Amino acid sequence: GAVVSQHPSWVICKSGTSVKIECRSLDFQATTMFWYRQFPKQSLMLMATSNEGSKATYEQGVEKDKFLINHASLTLSTLTVTSAHPEDSSFYICSASGGPAGKIQETQYFGPGTRLLVL
Amino acid sequence: LAKTTQPISMDSYEGQEVNITCSHNNIATNDYITWYQQFPSQGPRFIIQGYKTKVTNEVASLFIPADRKSSTLSLPRVSLSDTAVYYCLVGDPLNTGGFKTIFGAGTRLFVKA
Repeated sequence: GAVVSQHPSWVICKSGTSVKIECRSLDFQATTMFWYRQFPKQSLMLMATSNEGSKATYEQGVEKDKFLINHASLTLSTLTVTSAHPEDSSFYICSASGGPAGKIQETQYFGPGTRLLVL
Repeated sequence: LAKTTQPISMDSYEGQEVNITCSHNNIATNDYITWYQQFPSQGPRFIIQGYKTKVTNEVASLFIPADRKSSTLSLPRVSLSDTAVYYCLVGDPLNTGGFKTIFGAGTRLFVKA
């Protein structure tokens, strides 16, 4: 149980285009999803927290107009990198916390990550 | 959010027990302690979680002293495949804003043959 998937697993795009990354909780209801970014040899940096049906809360320094987050259902959150530039190239990881109705999962479960390369 | 401090790196040999200690002096009453393992180009994988005393599962044990200001992840008889980065996180899973945690630098464990 507690499986989180991401799609795509990797993407290459041209500078100026927008890229959408999907995060799905496959076997539980994710009331909260988190988006992280990780550069090589560095730790995960939290970008934003999204709760189903409400606007995402962004961490300081993260541009909300550049990184659009939509958490439209209890099993799906999307991150759209708008007008991507080479400096946006990174490993993007989502996580989800929640649980079956009436049961709270006491931890985050992470997706496999999406590697974005902007040329 | 409680800040965590871990050793940057550790070396070990196959078959040995490895103990990684994490300091979290500002842990709050409702905070749980969770450890994750991360391999290159993969998302972190849940290892173990605890609130106090000792927790054991099929892959690790977690020791938490009474003051909860630190915790120790114990990996019995490590193998080469345990080479990874290990993160200690502290957070409140029942926070209405979601179980938000901040990743520290992690401990890079290198297991040698």
